[in-house]
Amino acid sequence: ETGVTQSPTHLIKTRGQQVTLRCSSQSGHNTVSWYQQALGQGPQFIFQYYREEENGRGNFPPRFSGLQFPNYSSELNVNALELDDSALYLCASSLLDIQYFGAGTRLSVL
Amino acid sequence: QKEVEQNSGPLSVPEGAIASLNCTYSDRGSQSFFWYRQYSGKSPELIMSIYSNGDKEDGRFTAQLNKASQYVSLLIRDSQPSDSATYLCAVRAGGTSYGKLTFGQGTILTVHP
Repeated sequence: ETGVTQSPTHLIKTRGQQVTLRCSSQSGHNTVSWYQQALGQGPQFIFQYYREEENGRGNFPPRFSGLQFPNYSSELNVNALELDDSALYLCASSLLDIQYFGAGTRLSVL
Repeated sequence: QKEVEQNSGPLSVPEGAIASLNCTYSDRGSQSFFWYRQYSGKSPELIMSIYSNGDKEDGRFTAQLNKASQYVSLLIRDSQPSDSATYLCAVRAGGTSYGKLTFGQGTILTVHP
């Protein structure tokens, strides 16, 4: 157990809809990173939040957005869902250099 | 060229053997290197981190780093069926203000009894 919790565990949406995924960091961790993992691939970095500010972004379009709250929990929002957004979405929290992953949210876009 | 590349799998070894997993990276300024294990349908869990050239041992696991060759490896001694999983190599670049990890595509390891 890493102490990082994500909700929901599974989600089914249709193309064009919007989705919000949530992440609760391990206690004391002020940095949250989000990754997308397609089937059979390694995780791809979406963005990172440090003390409520976006602190870096990967090669994802603006319809992927996020928030970090004062308690360091975080949300990932995806607008205008596309079929290719179907993936496992992972949240990782960190204090220094080690990132600890939550169990992920499996998103299916139909 | 992919930023982080792992040896193509799947890799199959008998129980008790040494499993060798390899990873190369393209960014010469990379500072931190990690091996994660991911069981099917689960999230990645950290096995080892390594920051300096040489070997780092933790139980049955040994990570090796060679920054000149831009190469990092993971050896698993006395492999067990419970080691069967996908192993992900992850690299954090230097010179950035944030901790983006770049992952390889993973190597599937199967340890057969």
